Amino acid sequence: AQTVTQSQPEMSVQEAETVTLSCTYDTSENNYYLFWYKQPPSRQMILVIRQEAYKQQNATENRFSVNFQKAAKSFSLKISDSQLGDTAMYFCAFFQGGSEKLVFGKGMKLTVNP
Amino acid sequence: DGGITQSPKYLFRKEGQNVTLSCEQNLNHDAMYWYRQDPGQGLRLIYYSQIVNDFQKGDIAEGYSVSREKKESFPLTVTSAQKNPTAFYLCASSSGLAPNEQFFGPGTRLTVL
Repeated sequence: AQTVTQSQPEMSVQEAETVTLSCTYDTSENNYYLFWYKQPPSRQMILVIRQEAYKQQNATENRFSVNFQKAAKSFSLKISDSQLGDTAMYFCAFFQGGSEKLVFGKGMKLTVNP
Repeated sequence: DGGITQSPKYLFRKEGQNVTLSCEQNLNHDAMYWYRQDPGQGLRLIYYSQIVNDFQKGDIAEGYSVSREKKESFPLTVTSAQKNPTAFYLCASSSGLAPNEQFFGPGTRLTVL
């Protein structure tokens, strides 16, 4: 079974700094997708970024980018120029092509301090 | 606007009572999901449905039941058999096809008194 591991339960960063959130996963397949979701204090889950395993280029969405290391099964999220609104729980998730459900990590709480 | 709605936002229940949480989507998605989230925890899958009139148990289905009579709706019933129902419940939907990006509702906070 696929597993997703977020080893850092909590991090804090100063506003405007850069922070990297780590995620590793376990699969023997080649066709899969990886996601980072954000859950702010409102508790609304929001998709931050998505990466297709077949793409070598790392995904980028404005201040958010990923470092996708397929061989190492690592999928870290980099947040540049951190803002107070980035304070949230962040969940890494995995979807294998042909399966029926997402597999989520346990999440990591990020606090951005002024 | 397309999206997913969940109601109510807060729900209180006495022990021994069944309660139904509503989830509606107008995204024309085939697949719908129910997750439970406990404080400081990740999301655990309760039930999911890939198509109308069909659904499967997730990782923690005991004490819960669902129905999928319409594409747009996937209500979750928390029964009295659920030993510890106080939690935050999230509903999601997706096309069901890769990459299966899921869109989430705002959630329902259930408290058992």
